[in-house]
Amino acid sequence: QKEVEQNSGPLSVPEGAIASLNCTYSDRVSQSFFWYRQYSGKSPELIMSIYSNGDKEDGRFTAQLNKASQYVSLLIRDSQPSDSATYLCAVNGDMRFGAGTRLTVKP
Amino acid sequence: DVKVTQSSRYLVKRTGEKVFLECVQDMDHENMFWYRQDPGLGLRLIYFSYDVKMKEKGDIPEGYSVSREKKERFSLILESASTNQTSMYLCASSLFLRGNTEAFFGQGTRLTVV
Repeated sequence: QKEVEQNSGPLSVPEGAIASLNCTYSDRVSQSFFWYRQYSGKSPELIMSIYSNGDKEDGRFTAQLNKASQYVSLLIRDSQPSDSATYLCAVNGDMRFGAGTRLTVKP
Repeated sequence: DVKVTQSSRYLVKRTGEKVFLECVQDMDHENMFWYRQDPGLGLRLIYFSYDVKMKEKGDIPEGYSVSREKKERFSLILESASTNQTSMYLCASSLFLRGNTEAFFGQGTRLTVV
């Protein structure tokens, strides 16, 4: 069974700090990786996708992929209270998700 | 904008009932998915479909079946509802199975089995 694992947290950071979220996966041939954000009571929405080794930046968000080590991470710079949510890692087009990491950004 | 619509936001059913959860997407997506979400367990894949009349088991298919007779509609069926199927159910759709594409989610159905 393909597995996607995340630290379940919760993770708490002060406003303005860097939040670091991690995800590991078991299927070595995985090609595409996604980070979704889910606010409480809402459905998940895509915030980042990454397909190649290295970093991909989009505003305050940076996704990092290391296929050799089979992990993908999400960095949130200058964290804001509005970033408080559960962050879900998903792998490949068959969209298997990790358990999610709940992030709280404290003012 | 892609829209994925689930037929009910809240549903209460009795143990042993046959339950249908309906999902409709309006963007001609090939792939559709059903998940359940429970606290601490994240999104768990029940079934997915990559074409009309095609279906694949996810990680937790036991007690569920699906139907996809039309491209835009993907139904989840609980043959005989049990209390351990009380959960939030989420439907999603995406354009390609192996491609690099985004999944869009419905608003969710909170099912309570009593």
